[in-house]
Order: sequence, then C-alpha cells, then structure tokens
Amino acid sequence: KNQVEQSPQSLIILEGKNCTLQCNYTVSPFSNLRWYKQDTGRGPVSLTIMTFSENTKSNGRYTATLDADTKQSSLHITASQLSDSASYICVVSYSGNTPLVFGKGTRLSVIA
Amino acid sequence: DTEVTQTPKHLVMGMTNKKSLKCEQHMGHRAMYWYKQKAKKPPELMFVYSYEKLSINESVPSRFSPECPNSSLLNLHLHALQPEDSALYLCASSQLWDRGSGYTQYFGPGTRLTVL
Repeated sequence: KNQVEQSPQSLIILEGKNCTLQCNYTVSPFSNLRWYKQDTGRGPVSLTIMTFSENTKSNGRYTATLDADTKQSSLHITASQLSDSASYICVVSYSGNTPLVFGKGTRLSVIA
Repeated sequence: DTEVTQTPKHLVMGMTNKKSLKCEQHMGHRAMYWYKQKAKKPPELMFVYSYEKLSINESVPSRFSPECPNSSLLNLHLHALQPEDSALYLCASSQLWDRGSGYTQYFGPGTRLTVL
C-alpha cells in the first residue's frame, strides 16, 4: 500500500533554534517528493520538490533531503522564526492512479 | 501572478441549501483540482480537471458537482449536504496533469464550509 509517514506528529521549539522533520514513504514507483507548508485554515504552499536523482534542495532557511534508496526525506529548518509555526506536509507522487499521496503532516510551533 | 483565489472564504449552509464554491487562476494552468480537508488531516483529492474535462472523480457523492466552465475557472456546486461534509475545501492548479504528477500544484486559501 502506498503510504507516507511523517514524524514527529507535533513539535515545539524556541525561536532561533533549528529542527528537522522526517518523512518515510512506501510509494512505488516513485516520481517526486514535495514538502508543503500549511498555515492553519489556509491552503498548502510548496517549499521544495525533489525527483529521484536529487539529494538536497534548499529554499531559504528550508533544506530538504532525499534518500531514494531508503525512501526517506527530511526537512531541516534553520534559525526558526515565529512565522514558521504551521503544519509541514510531505507529499509523494508516483505513476499510479492517484496523483499525490499526502502525509498527515507535522505540526510545528515556534515559541518566543 | 502565481495566485489561486477562492470564494467565499467562509460558508455556512443548511442541509437543504444549494450553494457554489468558486476557484480562479490566471497562470495559464490546464489542470485544476478540488480537495477536501478535515481538521488535522491531510487534503483528500475529490476531482481533477485536465483541459476543462473531468479526468478523475474519487468516488465523490453526487451532492458535490464540479464544473469547469473555462480554463481559468473551477466551480463546486453543493446540494443537500450533510453535517459531516463540513471541512476546508481547497482548490489547486498545475501547469498540466499526468499520473506522474511532475507538476507542482498551487493551492488556493480554501473555503471553510460549515453545514448545519
């Protein structure tokens, strides 16, 4: 079964600290992996997208990594800000009948 | 313009009402999507339109009726909804759509729907 598992489910960190979110997937055959940021009550916003051949992709303070062999991805946030408080969703595409497989997200809270 | 707009932002309706959700994009995208998202859950795909034609219906009840009048607009007509249909309804678009989904989907802010 094609699944995307994210951990931790929720996370609280102090402003200025770094954090890493994890995503494991069983989707096959794999096409690409995206990280989205979703503020409460808003639509998701794409942060990064990586294909099979890419190991790292950065977007400002966000750096995503991908290990296609172990089917794991991480999203590292550097020097967190209060505005980083949101849900971070890992989304995987494969060449099947469903375009996207969504993880349940990690709820990040950055506190002062 | 990389924005997907949705109206209304909030909607409260009774189970006998008929209402419509609207979505618009001017990025020249030829694929548009409707998702339903319950609290603390990931979005669930409902419909995919490609070149204004319905490509995917994820076994959505007939009380939800999508419509794509042109390449920039996507509507979702609602009739005889149930309280459990209350959710955030997200519209998204991408340049094109294929089953490999190599194209990034841009999401709108959503419509918060409450069915009484």
